[in-house]
Amino acid sequence: GAGVSQSPSNKVTEKGKDVELRCDPISGHTALYWYRQSLGQGLEFLIYFQGNSAPDKSGLPSDRFSAERTGGSVSTLTIQRTQQEDSAVYLCASSLTSNYGYTFGSGTRLTVV
Amino acid sequence: EDQVTQSPEALRLQEGESSSLNCSYTVSGLRGLFWYRQDPGKGPEFLFTLYSAGEEKEKERLKATLTKKESFLHITAPKPEDSATYLCAVQEGGRDDKIIFGKGTRLHILP
Repeated sequence: GAGVSQSPSNKVTEKGKDVELRCDPISGHTALYWYRQSLGQGLEFLIYFQGNSAPDKSGLPSDRFSAERTGGSVSTLTIQRTQQEDSAVYLCASSLTSNYGYTFGSGTRLTVV
Repeated sequence: EDQVTQSPEALRLQEGESSSLNCSYTVSGLRGLFWYRQDPGKGPEFLFTLYSAGEEKEKERLKATLTKKESFLHITAPKPEDSATYLCAVQEGGRDDKIIFGKGTRLHILP
């Protein structure tokens, strides 16, 4: 596609449930990033993929968070046993190379009630 | 300590009133400094990348400059449609994994 596509755009879930967020990057972009943006806060880095591998997972807030990328394309971010503090906008970005400008998707707004 | 600090947090200008936004950084060996624009409910939109001190880039009413410790985003004769949050981000030398964002400056241009 022409841009980075994220789905769903909005997700309301009950505390304790698992959620999956999807990111479809720009075709040919090898680098993919997940960030989290909470109200009034800056963008918090979560994880980076180069191809299918994630060299550094230390940005993930807890072991409830996991991410994978298959075929060097689509990525999913999974949050298990969601908590209210997980409520935020989750943004995905892709880039041609790791030091090129990122293209962001519109994000998934997650609300945990 | 924040590695990227933006000031002011918020700025209100009259249409046509020029000003500058500041981004100071403390990473070692800057690999690149990025400016983004973010509108409400949308993801950040890439504006500029600067790589070395003294570099300048322009796009319409915006001009970004870079020194060894900070970057400025100059906005000349702004229009209401320039209202947005402007985000600065840096990539550290030797790091491939991420860019570090500041908290942004919320710019509001009054007609």
